[in-house]
Amino acid sequence: NAGVTQTPKFRVLKTGQSMTLLCAQDMNHEYMYWYRQDPGMGLRLIHYSVGEGTTAKGEVPDGYNVSRLKKQNFLLGLESAAPSQTSVYFCASRTHLGGSYNEQFFGPGTRLTVL
Amino acid sequence: SQQGEEDPQALSIQEGENATMNCSYKTSINNLQWYRQNSGRGLVHLILIRSNEREKHSGRLRVTLDTSKKSSSLLITASRAADTASYFCATAGAGGNNRLAFGKGNQVVVIP
Repeated sequence: NAGVTQTPKFRVLKTGQSMTLLCAQDMNHEYMYWYRQDPGMGLRLIHYSVGEGTTAKGEVPDGYNVSRLKKQNFLLGLESAAPSQTSVYFCASRTHLGGSYNEQFFGPGTRLTVL
Repeated sequence: SQQGEEDPQALSIQEGENATMNCSYKTSINNLQWYRQNSGRGLVHLILIRSNEREKHSGRLRVTLDTSKKSSSLLITASRAADTASYFCATAGAGGNNRLAFGKGNQVVVIP
């Protein structure tokens, strides 16, 4: 199994450009998450999904949109990129089985720079 | 939202020594988890301790949880160079919101 994969690994955007980050998992997990990681800030939750067709806002959702059209995929969109969105983005997933709040599995990250 | 807060922020130790890091949080939790992140990589789950547990072991890892003090500690015994990484605690709230709140992380450097 590949686990959680993210595409692309690196990207440089100009202010105002748009892009979509793709997260895919092959573990049949119900829950998926998008985080951003900035120096000294830990991980902050952007959006998450508890199942196909559902999404919810996290801690820092402004400037981002998400979609979960297929259970295995979770897309993060930036409609008009800003320098403040320069960050490393991580996707994670977890199963709903065996009770709540079990471990999350993380992808390798996407390093995004907005000029 | 609740936040784990690790202390200390950075730790440098010799190979073979033990490394201890702490985490505090503010509200009621269902469980607390520790993750490791090697440089340039994603986070990897290490251990989960539930709110009704006080101590848990996994290999060279020992985690304690004191819910009265809202704190946890992670001990890595007999450290190795490969333990060099950042370590994050994350809390799962008791309110059932399906989310984890991550701390800012501890950077641990193990000198061979």
